[in-house]
Amino acid sequence: AQTVTQSQPEMSVQEAETVTLSCTYDTSESDYYLFWYKQPPSRQMILVIRQEAYKQQNATENRFSVNFQKAAKSFSLKISDSQLGDAAMYFCAYRSVRAWEYGNKLVFGAGTILRVKS
Amino acid sequence: SAVISQKPSRDICQRGTSLTIQCQVDSQVTMMFWYRQQPGQSLTLIATANQGSEATYESGFVIDKFPISRPNLTFSTLTVSNMSPEDSSIYLCSAPGGDTEAFFGQGTRLTVV
Repeated sequence: AQTVTQSQPEMSVQEAETVTLSCTYDTSESDYYLFWYKQPPSRQMILVIRQEAYKQQNATENRFSVNFQKAAKSFSLKISDSQLGDAAMYFCAYRSVRAWEYGNKLVFGAGTILRVKS
Repeated sequence: SAVISQKPSRDICQRGTSLTIQCQVDSQVTMMFWYRQQPGQSLTLIATANQGSEATYESGFVIDKFPISRPNLTFSTLTVSNMSPEDSSIYLCSAPGGDTEAFFGQGTRLTVV
């Protein structure tokens, strides 16, 4: 079974600075998807960024980028120029490509609370 | 992208009663997923709901406690039965969007007193 580990329960960053959230995972599969979701106090889960494991290039979405290290099974999220609106719980998630076996279900890490200081 | 409307957004219920949560998707989806998020914790999958067949429950969750309906490809309900304070959580529904990503409802914050 796949597992996702986020070892940072809470992180703080000063507005306009950069912060990196860590995520490691365990799987025996060679192809899969990885995601970072953001959950603000509104409870709405918002997709921040995704990475296909077969792609060597790290995904980027505006101020958000990932450092995907497949051999190390590491998938960290870097937030540049942090804004007050970035304050939320961030979840790392894994999805198998084997939909016939696992469906499209996501395996989530425990989450990291990000606080942004003004 | 898919838009999922989930209701109620929150409720306070008496122990021993049941609550049904509804999710409506704005497009047809084969699978829908129900998650539980206990206070301050991560999301745990309760079950996968396919249209026309019984839901598939994860270890630790049973149909008698969390019956699910999936009458068509755009709608699903989750019932939390015979509630106790330990059932106080956020419940979220989800559906796949495209090949890779998942979309979520707004969540239902349930408090059992």
